[in-house]
This record gives sequence, structure tokens and C-alpha cells, in this order.
Amino acid sequence: DGGITQSPKYLFRKEGQNVTLSCEQNLNHDAMYWYRQDPGQGLRLIYYSQIVNDFQKGDIAEGYSVSREKKESFPLTVTSAQKNPTAFYLCASSIIGGTGVSETQYFGPGTRLLVL
Amino acid sequence: GEDVEQSLFLSVREGDSSVINCTYTDSSSTYLYWYKQEPGAGLQLLTYIFSNMDMKQDQRLTVLLNKKDKHLSLRIADTQTGDSAIYFCAKGDGGATNKLIFGTGTLLAVQP
Repeated sequence: DGGITQSPKYLFRKEGQNVTLSCEQNLNHDAMYWYRQDPGQGLRLIYYSQIVNDFQKGDIAEGYSVSREKKESFPLTVTSAQKNPTAFYLCASSIIGGTGVSETQYFGPGTRLLVL
Repeated sequence: GEDVEQSLFLSVREGDSSVINCTYTDSSSTYLYWYKQEPGAGLQLLTYIFSNMDMKQDQRLTVLLNKKDKHLSLRIADTQTGDSAIYFCAKGDGGATNKLIFGTGTLLAVQP
């Protein structure tokens, strides 16, 4: 059963705490992405990775960190430096075509992060 | 930078057609996408169109692209209550990474 899984579905963070959101895909996709969604807004790109051991900052990377040690996994850490972390976090993945261009992105079910 | 805009809300009666509109600012050759989001869920890809096309039809869905006006629309025929959701328009940035720029989403409410 191929797809993108994110865990946990809900996550609570205390002040000053780092938390890590999991994203796994078994689609053999090359590229993976993390987006943040706030109520009534579109998605904003946090980080993306096109190849193992390499990743780039998106539009709102401050207060976040990622790693890409395996092709199928792209965990996102929300650090204590992120002052407003309450949001819905979405992971996506895509293949990279023969021309080197990332193709259609497919999304996971999301993780909702709440600050206590 | 690139900007993608959508109207916030659309209400239709079951069985009618829905038309959700999107405008963008950048003319780069790229793909444009429609995603559907149900409450508390991730985004489901509905359809996409390349910027050199005018129209694409897929069952109840019709996408129209007016390149001159930089206007994209999604028509849903015979709208059902299960179509109630938020619909996002997204445009690739035209680069190798195909970074997506999203609109704010249109909430479609289908009245029985």
C-alpha cells in the first residue's frame, strides 16, 4: 500500500521544547518537502530536499531543521527558536523526471502541532 | 515575487456546477495544480494542466487556462455534498525544483 505517512497526527509542545515530526514515503520519490498551513491561509514551504544528504531552505525556514539520511524519510524538527509553532504541518514528495525537474507533489495526511 | 489569488468562499446547490477561480502573476512555463482538502486532512491532487494548454477535462472536472489574463478555473459538474472542501490552486515556479506557490484556498459549500 504505497503512500506518504506522517506521525503523530497530533503533537503537543511545551515552551522551550524541541519536537520532531515524522514523514515517510514508500513511493520511491526523489524529492520531499515540508509545508506549514495556518488557518485561512495557503501552504508555505519550510524546507525541501531533492536528494539524500542535501536539503534547501524554503520561504519560512527559521526555527526549523531537517535531515535526509534516507531516501524515504524526511523528519522535521520544530525548535524552541520557532516562536509561533502552532500550525498544521504537511509533508509532500515527488519524483524527479528525466529532465531533472521535480514533478507533481503528493501530500501526506498532516500533523497538527499545538503549543501548551 | 509570484502571487496566486483565489476567492475565499463559494456556495452552490447540489446538482449545480461549481466554478472556482484563480489568478496568478508570473508567466513562466510550468504546471498549475488543483488540490482538494477535506477538514483535518492532507491535500489530495485533483488535476493539473501545463501552461501551454487551454483546457483539460477529467470526468466531472474541467480546467480552463487563460494565459493572456493569467486566469485558471476549475469547474465541477453535478456538484455533490461530498465535494464540500477547500480547493487550492498552486503554480510551480518554473525552476528545476518546481517549488509550489499556493493560493489561500476557496471553501466550497454544497447545499443539499
